[in-house]
Amino acid sequence: EAAVTQSPRNKVTVTGGNVTLSCRQTNSHNYMYWYRQDTGHGLRLIHYSYGAGNLQIGDVPDGYKATRTTQEDFFLLLELASPSQTSLYFCASKGLGENYAEQFFGPGTRLTVL
Amino acid sequence: GEKVEQHESTLSVREGDSAVINCTYTDTASSYFPWYKQEAGKSLHFVIDIRSNVDRKQSQRLIVLLDKKAKRFSLHITATQPEDSAIYFCAASVTGGSNAKLTFGKGTKLSVKS
Repeated sequence: EAAVTQSPRNKVTVTGGNVTLSCRQTNSHNYMYWYRQDTGHGLRLIHYSYGAGNLQIGDVPDGYKATRTTQEDFFLLLELASPSQTSLYFCASKGLGENYAEQFFGPGTRLTVL
Repeated sequence: GEKVEQHESTLSVREGDSAVINCTYTDTASSYFPWYKQEAGKSLHFVIDIRSNVDRKQSQRLIVLLDKKAKRFSLHITATQPEDSAIYFCAASVTGGSNAKLTFGKGTKLSVKS
Protein backbone atom coordinates (compact mmCIF):
# COMPACT_ATOMS: atom_id res chain seq x y z
CA GLU A 1 0.00 0.00 0.00
CA ALA A 2 1.13 3.55 -0.79
CA ALA A 3 2.88 5.35 2.04
CA VAL A 4 2.69 9.12 2.23
CA THR A 5 4.20 10.86 5.22
CA GLN A 6 4.10 14.51 6.20
CA SER A 7 6.12 16.61 8.60
CA PRO A 8 5.64 18.36 10.85
CA ARG A 9 2.22 17.11 11.97
CA ASN A 10 1.52 20.35 13.81
CA LYS A 11 3.05 23.77 13.37
CA VAL A 12 2.42 27.13 14.99
CA THR A 13 3.98 30.26 13.55
CA VAL A 14 3.43 34.00 13.64
CA THR A 15 2.23 36.35 10.93
CA GLY A 16 5.09 37.00 8.53
CA GLY A 17 6.86 33.82 9.49
CA ASN A 18 8.52 31.38 7.12
CA VAL A 19 7.15 27.82 7.03
CA THR A 20 8.07 24.71 5.06
CA LEU A 21 5.80 21.68 5.02
CA SER A 22 7.33 18.42 3.85
CA CYS A 23 5.83 15.41 2.12
CA ARG A 24 7.46 12.13 1.17
CA GLN A 25 5.97 9.19 -0.71
CA THR A 26 7.66 5.82 -1.07
CA ASN A 27 5.68 4.22 -3.89
CA SER A 28 7.47 5.82 -6.84
CA HIS A 29 4.33 7.72 -7.78
CA ASN A 30 4.68 10.35 -10.47
CA TYR A 31 2.07 12.76 -9.18
CA MET A 32 2.13 14.59 -5.88
CA TYR A 33 -0.35 17.16 -4.58
CA TRP A 34 -0.79 19.74 -1.86
CA TYR A 35 -4.33 20.50 -0.63
CA ARG A 36 -5.77 22.59 2.14
CA GLN A 37 -8.93 21.63 4.00
CA ASP A 38 -11.12 24.28 5.59
CA THR A 39 -14.61 24.05 7.04
CA GLY A 40 -17.09 25.28 4.46
CA HIS A 41 -14.63 24.94 1.61
CA GLY A 42 -13.82 21.26 1.54
CA LEU A 43 -10.54 20.26 -0.07
CA ARG A 44 -8.82 22.74 -2.36
CA LEU A 45 -5.77 22.12 -4.53
CA ILE A 46 -2.82 24.44 -3.98
CA HIS A 47 -0.09 23.00 -6.23
CA TYR A 48 0.78 19.68 -7.82
CA SER A 49 3.61 18.05 -9.69
CA TYR A 50 4.08 15.17 -12.11
CA GLY A 51 7.76 14.65 -11.48
CA ALA A 52 10.99 16.00 -10.06
CA GLY A 53 11.47 19.62 -11.06
CA ASN A 54 7.89 20.00 -12.33
CA LEU A 55 5.27 22.28 -10.77
CA GLN A 56 1.66 22.84 -11.76
CA ILE A 57 -0.51 25.61 -10.36
CA GLY A 58 -3.62 24.51 -8.52
CA ASP A 59 -6.82 26.38 -7.69
CA VAL A 60 -5.68 28.39 -4.65
CA PRO A 61 -1.96 29.07 -5.20
CA ASP A 62 -1.69 32.63 -3.87
CA GLY A 63 0.75 32.92 -1.00
CA TYR A 64 2.24 29.47 -1.58
CA LYS A 65 5.29 28.16 -3.37
CA ALA A 66 6.11 24.52 -3.89
CA THR A 67 9.10 22.54 -5.00
CA ARG A 68 9.47 18.89 -6.06
CA THR A 69 13.10 18.05 -5.44
CA THR A 70 12.97 14.31 -6.12
CA GLN A 71 10.44 11.66 -7.14
CA GLU A 72 9.74 11.14 -3.43
CA ASP A 73 9.77 14.65 -1.95
CA PHE A 74 7.37 17.58 -2.38
CA PHE A 75 7.61 20.72 -0.26
CA LEU A 76 5.11 23.52 0.36
CA LEU A 77 6.59 26.90 1.26
CA LEU A 78 4.84 29.80 2.97
CA GLU A 79 7.34 32.66 2.91
CA LEU A 80 5.20 35.31 4.63
CA ALA A 81 2.57 33.36 6.52
CA SER A 82 -0.78 35.03 7.18
CA PRO A 83 -3.65 34.05 9.51
CA SER A 84 -5.74 33.17 6.44
CA GLN A 85 -3.32 30.29 5.85
CA THR A 86 -4.29 28.63 9.11
CA SER A 87 -5.58 25.31 7.86
CA LEU A 88 -5.18 21.55 7.68
CA TYR A 89 -2.80 20.66 4.85
CA PHE A 90 -2.80 17.32 3.08
CA CYS A 91 -0.28 15.89 0.69
CA ALA A 92 -1.27 13.14 -1.73
CA SER A 93 0.34 11.01 -4.41
CA LYS A 94 -0.86 9.11 -7.44
CA GLY A 95 0.60 6.81 -10.04
CA LEU A 96 0.81 7.52 -13.76
CA GLY A 97 -1.93 6.45 -16.15
CA GLU A 98 -5.67 5.98 -16.05
CA ASN A 99 -5.35 2.62 -14.27
CA TYR A 100 -3.71 4.40 -11.35
CA ALA A 101 -6.34 6.99 -10.61
CA GLU A 102 -6.54 6.67 -6.82
CA GLN A 103 -4.88 9.38 -4.78
CA PHE A 104 -3.19 8.30 -1.54
CA PHE A 105 -3.27 10.90 1.20
CA GLY A 106 -0.82 11.65 3.97
CA PRO A 107 -1.91 12.15 7.60
CA GLY A 108 -2.07 15.93 7.34
CA THR A 109 -0.29 18.91 8.89
CA ARG A 110 -2.24 21.33 11.05
CA LEU A 111 -0.82 24.84 10.63
CA THR A 112 -1.76 27.74 12.87
CA VAL A 113 -0.65 31.26 11.99
CA LEU A 114 -1.05 33.67 14.92
CA GLY B 1 -12.47 25.44 -14.56
CA GLU B 2 -14.45 22.53 -13.19
CA LYS B 3 -16.80 23.15 -10.27
CA VAL B 4 -18.24 20.34 -8.17
CA GLU B 5 -21.21 21.01 -5.94
CA GLN B 6 -22.06 18.61 -3.16
CA HIS B 7 -25.68 19.14 -2.25
CA GLU B 8 -25.92 17.81 1.28
CA SER B 9 -23.57 19.32 3.82
CA THR B 10 -24.91 17.02 6.55
CA LEU B 11 -26.96 13.83 6.46
CA SER B 12 -28.32 11.78 9.31
CA VAL B 13 -29.74 8.27 8.91
CA ARG B 14 -30.71 5.40 11.14
CA GLU B 15 -28.52 2.31 11.19
CA GLY B 16 -29.70 -0.10 8.50
CA ASP B 17 -31.25 2.60 6.32
CA SER B 18 -29.74 3.82 3.04
CA ALA B 19 -27.88 7.10 2.64
CA VAL B 20 -27.64 9.05 -0.61
CA ILE B 21 -25.18 11.85 -1.32
CA ASN B 22 -25.59 13.89 -4.51
CA CYS B 23 -23.05 15.85 -6.53
CA THR B 24 -23.18 17.87 -9.70
CA TYR B 25 -20.35 19.03 -11.94
CA THR B 26 -19.98 21.67 -14.64
CA ASP B 27 -17.34 20.51 -17.12
CA THR B 28 -18.75 18.20 -19.79
CA ALA B 29 -15.21 16.92 -20.41
CA SER B 30 -15.04 15.38 -16.93
CA SER B 31 -14.96 11.62 -17.18
CA TYR B 32 -13.73 10.30 -13.85
CA PHE B 33 -15.65 10.61 -10.57
CA PRO B 34 -14.15 9.24 -7.35
CA TRP B 35 -15.42 9.33 -3.79
CA TYR B 36 -13.26 9.71 -0.70
CA LYS B 37 -14.05 9.11 2.95
CA GLN B 38 -12.63 10.97 5.93
CA GLU B 39 -13.28 9.54 9.38
CA ALA B 40 -13.16 11.88 12.34
CA GLY B 41 -9.66 13.20 12.98
CA LYS B 42 -8.17 11.16 10.15
CA SER B 43 -7.00 11.57 6.60
CA LEU B 44 -8.91 10.83 3.42
CA HIS B 45 -9.03 7.50 1.68
CA PHE B 46 -10.54 6.34 -1.57
CA VAL B 47 -13.77 4.34 -1.42
CA ILE B 48 -15.17 3.98 -4.94
CA ASP B 49 -15.11 5.62 -8.35
CA ILE B 50 -16.98 5.60 -11.64
CA ARG B 51 -15.90 6.46 -15.16
CA SER B 52 -18.06 8.00 -17.83
CA ASN B 53 -18.26 4.82 -19.92
CA VAL B 54 -20.68 3.30 -17.37
CA ASP B 55 -23.67 4.66 -15.46
CA ARG B 56 -23.60 2.37 -12.42
CA LYS B 57 -20.94 0.73 -10.31
CA GLN B 58 -21.25 -1.29 -7.11
CA SER B 59 -18.74 -2.34 -4.52
CA GLN B 60 -20.33 -4.26 -1.65
CA ARG B 61 -22.70 -1.77 0.07
CA LEU B 62 -21.60 1.20 -2.04
CA ILE B 63 -23.31 2.10 -5.31
CA VAL B 64 -22.34 5.01 -7.54
CA LEU B 65 -24.72 6.30 -10.22
CA LEU B 66 -23.73 8.66 -13.02
CA ASP B 67 -26.12 10.73 -15.15
CA LYS B 68 -23.95 12.40 -17.79
CA LYS B 69 -26.84 14.26 -19.35
CA ALA B 70 -27.68 15.97 -16.06
CA LYS B 71 -23.99 16.16 -15.04
CA ARG B 72 -24.91 14.50 -11.79
CA PHE B 73 -23.52 11.59 -9.81
CA SER B 74 -24.44 10.09 -6.49
CA LEU B 75 -23.17 7.75 -3.79
CA HIS B 76 -25.63 5.30 -2.26
CA ILE B 77 -24.65 3.52 0.94
CA THR B 78 -27.01 0.64 1.67
CA ALA B 79 -27.62 -1.02 5.04
CA THR B 80 -25.67 1.71 6.82
CA GLN B 81 -23.54 0.89 9.86
CA PRO B 82 -22.10 3.16 12.56
CA GLU B 83 -18.65 2.86 10.96
CA ASP B 84 -20.03 4.55 7.85
CA SER B 85 -20.18 7.78 9.86
CA ALA B 86 -17.64 10.12 8.24
CA ILE B 87 -17.26 13.00 5.83
CA TYR B 88 -17.64 11.92 2.21
CA PHE B 89 -16.13 13.94 -0.63
CA CYS B 90 -17.07 13.62 -4.26
CA ALA B 91 -14.66 14.74 -6.97
CA ALA B 92 -14.41 15.06 -10.73
CA SER B 93 -11.55 14.96 -13.19
CA VAL B 94 -10.75 14.94 -16.85
CA THR B 95 -8.62 11.87 -17.47
CA GLY B 96 -5.96 11.30 -20.05
CA GLY B 97 -2.55 12.80 -20.65
CA SER B 98 -0.98 14.58 -17.71
CA ASN B 99 -4.27 16.06 -16.53
CA ALA B 100 -4.60 14.30 -13.20
CA LYS B 101 -6.25 17.10 -11.30
CA LEU B 102 -9.25 16.39 -9.08
CA THR B 103 -11.80 19.03 -8.14
CA PHE B 104 -13.51 18.15 -4.88
CA GLY B 105 -16.91 18.99 -3.49
CA LYS B 106 -17.17 20.55 -0.04
CA GLY B 107 -18.00 17.29 1.69
CA THR B 108 -21.04 15.68 3.33
CA LYS B 109 -20.93 14.75 6.98
CA LEU B 110 -22.85 11.50 7.37
CA SER B 111 -24.03 10.43 10.79
CA VAL B 112 -25.41 6.93 11.25
CA LYS B 113 -27.44 6.69 14.43
CA SER B 114 -27.99 3.34 16.10
